[in-house]
Amino acid sequence: GAGVSQSPSNKVTEKGKDVELRCDPISGHTALYWYRQSLGQGLEFLIYFQGNSAPDKSGLPSDRFSAERTGGSVSTLTIQRTQQEDSAVYLCASSFSVREQYFGPGTRLTVT
Amino acid sequence: GENVEQHPSTLSVQEGDSAVIKCTYSDSASNYFPWYKQELGKRPQLIIDIRSNVGEKKDQRIAVTLNKTAKHFSLHITETQPEDSAVYFCAAREDDKIIFGKGTRLHILP
Repeated sequence: GAGVSQSPSNKVTEKGKDVELRCDPISGHTALYWYRQSLGQGLEFLIYFQGNSAPDKSGLPSDRFSAERTGGSVSTLTIQRTQQEDSAVYLCASSFSVREQYFGPGTRLTVT
Repeated sequence: GENVEQHPSTLSVQEGDSAVIKCTYSDSASNYFPWYKQELGKRPQLIIDIRSNVGEKKDQRIAVTLNKTAKHFSLHITETQPEDSAVYFCAAREDDKIIFGKGTRLHILP
């Protein structure tokens, strides 16, 4: 079946602009995660959705970052007033309950 | 919250030798510990995982050990091959979210 998809694959934006990154999880997966991976760095947890529960936003680095998950499926990560330090690969992952996470291909964000 | 430390950050081993990557975690309630492999330019993929009711798990050349008392777990790769070159991430489950270590870049030397 289809895996996790993300769009766009690459995004170049000017400093100060807002961006939206999209994640389509595997159908039926109840858990959805967003991570940030800077060049050569680890996977920094951002936010976690599980079913209809309130999301765990403890990893969001600032109030410029927000995320939604509509209908328990598609998720959008929004970064307002982008800064150069926001440049990274943003990875989405989904899983059925808390089991193996399936990662998407990521969105490479470059803020100029 | 959960904190996962991973060592070393870089590891070089001769082809055919063994590689060991070690991780520690802080939350004694964590009960699930996956390991992911990320090849250059690709997404992370699960290679092995272990639950806290098990001390060791093996899958061909890969094994993971868990010491709950000391709160550390390790990945062992035997008879390393060129295709093992990648970044490896350990992780621990805190409540329902997965927290990753910073990764180990493994180089297999010819």
